[in-house]
Amino acid sequence: QSVLTQPPSASGTPGQRVTISCSGSSSNIGSNYVYWYQQLPGTAPKLLIYRNNQRPSGVPDRFSGSKSGTSASLAISGLRSEDEADYYCAAWDDSLYVFGTGTKVTVL
Amino acid sequence: EVQLVQSGAEVKKPGESLRISCKGSGYSFTSYWISWVRQMPGKGLEWMGRIDPSDSYTNYSPSFQGHVTISADKSISTAYLQWSSLKASDTAMYYCARQGGGGYDLYFDYWGQGTLVTVSS
Repeated sequence: QSVLTQPPSASGTPGQRVTISCSGSSSNIGSNYVYWYQQLPGTAPKLLIYRNNQRPSGVPDRFSGSKSGTSASLAISGLRSEDEADYYCAAWDDSLYVFGTGTKVTVL
Repeated sequence: EVQLVQSGAEVKKPGESLRISCKGSGYSFTSYWISWVRQMPGKGLEWMGRIDPSDSYTNYSPSFQGHVTISADKSISTAYLQWSSLKASDTAMYYCARQGGGGYDLYFDYWGQGTLVTVSS
């Protein structure tokens, strides 16, 4: 059972900015870093954001992360067709790793 | 190049046992924890637990504790996920992932390709 809540879906047209929220609590997001993963259809998840707002090498700067209190968000600017995927936030909660409920991003 | 290569798809009957594997290469296997993540059909990601391959210390999500066993053989750089008695509800894709970062900044930087487990009578 996920303890991080995300909207089930988000959408936008090419070039638009899309934002995905992730709501947690003081024991996870409130006291630990937030991570974001992208899962393209039929593939394994891929790390998109670490340490709240850092991008691994190779991740376009169109993706940005932020955190405030017990919530976090992922923004995708300049939306592209290849961004159509499921996105998951995640955080540590004591010694347990918790994922968000997931958000499906559709490019219209 | 860091790689995690998982064993192939499995089709099993309820009550049977199963062990799937995840072989690491391209890095020092004992320097990074390995986690297992479940994804049921059409559903989200669930963290099952992890292992420190250097000493086989494990910790499990309460949701999976007692239902699965995570182990590792550092001599062959391989982590395992096993069940003693499968149920239909174990049907899912299972991913292994390497835990990168350090300190309080721990994340999954490399993932296996996934192993599909189907349990059906």
